Amino acid sequence: EDKVVQSPLSLVVHEGDTVTLNCSYEVTNFRSLLWYKQEKKAPTFLFMLTSSGIEKKSGRLSSILDKKELFSILNITATQTGDSAIYLCAVEEGNKLVFGAGTILRVKS
Amino acid sequence: TAGITQAPTSQILAAGRSMTLRCTQDMRHNAMYWYRQDLGLGLRLIHYSNTAGTTGKGEVPDGYSVSRANTDDFPLTLASAVPSQTSVYFCASSAGLNQPQHFGDGTRLSIL
Repeated sequence: EDKVVQSPLSLVVHEGDTVTLNCSYEVTNFRSLLWYKQEKKAPTFLFMLTSSGIEKKSGRLSSILDKKELFSILNITATQTGDSAIYLCAVEEGNKLVFGAGTILRVKS
Repeated sequence: TAGITQAPTSQILAAGRSMTLRCTQDMRHNAMYWYRQDLGLGLRLIHYSNTAGTTGKGEVPDGYSVSRANTDDFPLTLASAVPSQTSVYFCASSAGLNQPQHFGDGTRLSIL
């Protein structure tokens, strides 16, 4: 059965800290791995990763994929209170997304 | 910019009643999806449509039906609601394979 596992389930950090969120997966027909940020309503797209070892970066956020070890990490440097959210990892398997349960991040001021 | 519009925003429904959740997108995306989000379980796919006129079952399709009469609209129907269908429902769309899905703001549905 296809599955996507995120860790940790939740964490609390202070502003300015760096955090690393993990996502491991087992799917039959991997196409890509995506990261989303969910605050109050709709998940918003962060990154799509298809190739191993190529870092994608957007401001203080970055992500990388390891297709051999079947995992991805999402890094957030110099965290801010606005980074508080649920971070969702999803793997595109065939033409569908399989989501992990998410990591709840809370950044304290 | 509208993107994906879901309606209603929230609803309380008596068990046994029927309900249609509406989803409209203005991006001319071919593919559309319905998910439910439950605490600790993440988002689970209910039904999907790769293009107008076609639909497919996702991970948790029982108790739900969909139709895709045109590109823009993808309604989700609960024929006879049960309390276990209490959830937050998200509609999403994408331009196709290897393209990210974009989500609506969700419908919070409570079945009593």
